[in-house]
Amino acid sequence: GAVVSQHPSRVICKSGTSVKIECRSLDFQATTMFWYRQFPKQSLMLMATSNEGSKATYEQGVEKDKFLINHASLTLSTLTVTSAHPEDSSFYICSARERRGGELFFGSGTQLSVL
Amino acid sequence: AQSVTQPDIHITVSEGASLELRCNYSYGATPYLFWYVQSPGQGLQLLLKYFSGDTLVQGIKGFEAEFKRSQSSFNLRKPSVHWSDAAEYFCAVGNSNSGYALNFGKGTSLLVTP
Repeated sequence: GAVVSQHPSRVICKSGTSVKIECRSLDFQATTMFWYRQFPKQSLMLMATSNEGSKATYEQGVEKDKFLINHASLTLSTLTVTSAHPEDSSFYICSARERRGGELFFGSGTQLSVL
Repeated sequence: AQSVTQPDIHITVSEGASLELRCNYSYGATPYLFWYVQSPGQGLQLLLKYFSGDTLVQGIKGFEAEFKRSQSSFNLRKPSVHWSDAAEYFCAVGNSNSGYALNFGKGTSLLVTP
């Protein structure tokens, strides 16, 4: 089946540094990728929607300058948490919508811990 | 406003017993409905989905769900639970207007006892 690879699976960084998370569709082209955030024992909250070659659409309350999203190709989207702070510590999950059949697939998530 | 409600935060079921996890939604457009399962620290695995057609949907691992428009519900069921089913279960709703950006319920944590 279709696979979405998300990397890294876990990252620990110091406060003030930036962290980049990659989301790749391995065997299909993704017209749209979605980025979600999940706090411990909470649900997933949509952060932004990115379409290949265009600017991401951010949900209300999500700082676009804080969470930079790049969707440069049909198989790769990246989320960069800039100047990370402890409150940014969370589980980040991407999903990708297949270009052909419209199916939706999720990555395995990235646990970000900011010290 | 669009919303997804999973009324049960925690459910405990004995192994071999039947299971039903509730999901109610409030959506203006015809919804696309999903059930996902998540193990600790892991991503999401799709159990089943409903877009249209037969309102009783069969999924993986012996799960099924029934879409009831009149009740705005999409409850997940399994006739006999296995210990490996212990996990967090999320109901999610989307539609063609949202471009498959899903709105998730808060989740139901399933504990399976021997």
